[in-house]
Amino acid sequence: KAGVTQTPRYLIKTRGQQVTLSCSPISGHRSVSWYQQTPGQGLQFLFEYFSETQRNKGNFPGRFSGRQFSNSRSEMNVSTLELGDSALYLCASSLASGVAYEQYFGPGTRLTVT
Amino acid sequence: AQTVTQSQPEMSVQEAETVTLSCTYDTSESDYYLFWYKQPPSRQMILVIRQEAYKQQNATENRFSVNFQKAAKSFSLKISDSQLGDAAMYFCAYRSDFTGGGNKLTFGTGTQLKVEL
Repeated sequence: KAGVTQTPRYLIKTRGQQVTLSCSPISGHRSVSWYQQTPGQGLQFLFEYFSETQRNKGNFPGRFSGRQFSNSRSEMNVSTLELGDSALYLCASSLASGVAYEQYFGPGTRLTVT
Repeated sequence: AQTVTQSQPEMSVQEAETVTLSCTYDTSESDYYLFWYKQPPSRQMILVIRQEAYKQQNATENRFSVNFQKAAKSFSLKISDSQLGDAAMYFCAYRSDFTGGGNKLTFGTGTQLKVEL
């Protein structure tokens, strides 16, 4: 089986712009979670989608949003980018939500905001 | 809210030796899962080992084992026969078993492990 894929792998944006990141889960997986990784704040949970519904949300401003499609692919969007949004964004997929299924991480998207 | 603490920012070990990485956590829940993830320079997070809180037996996966002390809220990772490929950032993570918690992982700040010849 193919692993979790994230596109693009690298992205450079300007402050004030918006950006959309994509995550394709492992085939058959219905849960996708997003994390932000920065040197200062570490790994922080953004949100989780399961069967096209947001299951859980971390403590991030409303500029961060996401969605999941019927094929389980997920996108996250950040509007009005700030310098502090520069980070590695990781997504993880799992068969289901809230039970003891392993999560598999993608390689991440490195976002740089200038 | 749950918190995970890794007090060792960096650790070093000689090849073929054993090293133990520490992790403590704080929670008021009785049912949860604990994980150790490895993040090599490629940044791909890889699950090393998991422990269910209801299991008293410590988990083992080949050269990796944990010492889970539920009362002390401690979850350390032991790597035996260390290899150069073990060099990476290691993260301890907590996941609630509460249905409403979903798959949310709470991570520690990580321990950078260096393996020396």
